[in-house]
Amino acid sequence: DAKTTQPTSMDCAEGRAANLPCNHSTISGNEYVYWYRQIHSQGPQYIIHGLKNNETNEMASLIITEDRKSSTLILPHATLRDTAVYYCIVRTTSGSARQLTFGSGTQLTVLP
Amino acid sequence: DVKVTQSSRYLVKRTGEKVFLECVQDMDHENMFWYRQDPGLGLRLIYFSYDVKMKEKGDIPEGYSVSREKKERFSLILESASTNQTSMYLCASSPPVGSARGQAYGYTFGSGTRLTVV
Repeated sequence: DAKTTQPTSMDCAEGRAANLPCNHSTISGNEYVYWYRQIHSQGPQYIIHGLKNNETNEMASLIITEDRKSSTLILPHATLRDTAVYYCIVRTTSGSARQLTFGSGTQLTVLP
Repeated sequence: DVKVTQSSRYLVKRTGEKVFLECVQDMDHENMFWYRQDPGLGLRLIYFSYDVKMKEKGDIPEGYSVSREKKERFSLILESASTNQTSMYLCASSPPVGSARGQAYGYTFGSGTRLTVV
């Protein structure tokens, strides 16, 4: 699986958009980009995923560059409850079931 | 609301005890996983199962075993608990990787079991 690189930490003001970057320069054609977040002392929570088109759901938007080597997760109006570790993961849709490898993630702190 | 339920939120066991961590999912998912999470090391895959009675080792299986007798239940067993197994244990489930459901929903995680071995 392609490795991902994320900043260790970021701050964001409450009510502002939080833009979390992720580099995945070795991503292959059959690998999706997934984003999860983990609020302190809870299990990770699925946010969004995409292959090459930009995606939006009720939680966030995902912008994937045309060359697919990087992506950005956007929380349009961050709240204090969005403070969490955000994981960017690339995952194939073929082969065995084990291809969900979590890196260190980005600690997002939303400031009042 | 679909969910993955882990039987205990906090657990304290003694060194040498046999420990069972239970995980149940109500989503009819084929795949189930056990991870442990430690500060600075992230989530590491211990074992996973892609069908009843089927299991595969993850990245750190030593000292652990698993059991999946029913589709909805995946148990992690610490045969003889040691202090270095003190950790947060997370169970997850997912549809098959290559399926439309698997692509769409990814993994669903439980809330975790914080195990302390003394």
